Amino acid sequence: ETGVTQSPTHLIKTRGQQVTLRCSSQSGHNTVSWYQQALGQGPQFIFQYYREEENGRGNFPPRFSGLQFPNYSSELNVNALELDDSALYLCASSPRWREGNEQFFGPGTRLTVL
Amino acid sequence: RKEVEQDPGPFNVPEGATVAFNCTYSNSASQSFFWYRQDCRKEPKLLMSVYSSGNEDGRFTAQLNRASQYISLLIRDSKLSDSATYLCVVNFAGNQFYFGTGTSLTVIP
Repeated sequence: ETGVTQSPTHLIKTRGQQVTLRCSSQSGHNTVSWYQQALGQGPQFIFQYYREEENGRGNFPPRFSGLQFPNYSSELNVNALELDDSALYLCASSPRWREGNEQFFGPGTRLTVL
Repeated sequence: RKEVEQDPGPFNVPEGATVAFNCTYSNSASQSFFWYRQDCRKEPKLLMSVYSSGNEDGRFTAQLNRASQYISLLIRDSKLSDSATYLCVVNFAGNQFYFGTGTSLTVIP
């Protein structure tokens, strides 16, 4: 196990609702990244947080937002949910922000939007 | 054009076979490279990092060709437990990891 935890494991929402997903990074890791993985696809980078600040963002609209807390845990918020937001949301942590660090993934939150 | 491209397969091979996966990436400034393994409905798990000199871990060998911008993974003596999706991952811009769509491998008894 990587020591990265996510909650909840599964979630069902309806279009237009808002959702908050949570992630606790591995002990000693201060960088958290979030990914969206649609069925049959590889994970797509949403954004990364380092020391409580956004440190890079992928091609996702502003209704995807996040936070990182002083203990390095993180939240992903998605507003105005759309059907296409149905996916596995993965959180990954790494020890510090520098190129080349491996990332360690949590088990993910499976979001279904009806 | 996608940042990372992989043949999605599926690859169906008998136990004991040798199988190779390739992956190409578009950004020549890419800095680091990895292979991850993902079992069905599970999270990706790091299989190995890929170094310019090539590296080996037991039955697994990874190679990087910067001139041609491709990465390979070779699995020798395939086991049933190797059945999974193998994800090629490239890091550039310091903080963004780009994943391929994954290559599906099934090892048949």
